Amino acid sequence: DTGVSQDPRHKITKRGQNVTFRCDPISEHNRLYWYRQTLGQGPEFLTYFQNEAQLEKSRLLSDRFSAERPKGSFSTLEIQRTEQGDSAMYLCASSMTERPDTQYFGPGTRLTVL
Amino acid sequence: GNSVTQMEGPVTLSEEAFLTINCTYTATGYPSLFWYVQYPGEGLQLLLKATKADDKGSNKGFEATYRKETTSFHLEKGSVQVSDSAVYFCALSTGNTGGFKTIFGAGTRLFVKA
Repeated sequence: DTGVSQDPRHKITKRGQNVTFRCDPISEHNRLYWYRQTLGQGPEFLTYFQNEAQLEKSRLLSDRFSAERPKGSFSTLEIQRTEQGDSAMYLCASSMTERPDTQYFGPGTRLTVL
Repeated sequence: GNSVTQMEGPVTLSEEAFLTINCTYTATGYPSLFWYVQYPGEGLQLLLKATKADDKGSNKGFEATYRKETTSFHLEKGSVQVSDSAVYFCALSTGNTGGFKTIFGAGTRLFVKA
């Protein structure tokens, strides 16, 4: 068990470009969550998956954001036409179906939009 | 809606001082309560949790008691160390009605001086 991993750890992009982040959860975890954390704030929920099904999306997740978990293992979060306001740390977490309240977080991907 | 409020930081203490970080919550139903810690340059780590009223979570000398009557989950440690310097987040998870997404407070930064 190597924990939740995220790639890349840092991403710098220009406004208007598309970016994609990857999350690999703990292998036996069925649930996967995405959060966004801005400077000086706690993480805010974006969306979560139960296996490959996306079960809930926050209204923070605008039409420019899309998340997938095609085989119920790793997940990707894509942001299209990035804006400076998208600059944040994007966190992934996973949990077991039997213990959904205990989530394990990855190190995050820090996005900077210039 | 569900929310978490924690005391603003930063909190600055001398080594071996007593620590209290206040946390109160608003939630429907019976949430699970958590404290997470984020050390400089690292991801979120679960510090402790409590899943029902009057439960006490404890880990690494930290403890917090789930107080339903005061809707509180204050974090305490009897003698802090320099290595405890970090940002501490109080959080709740609301179970099926909330999809088990975690709602975080804004975080409290702790500085411990030698």
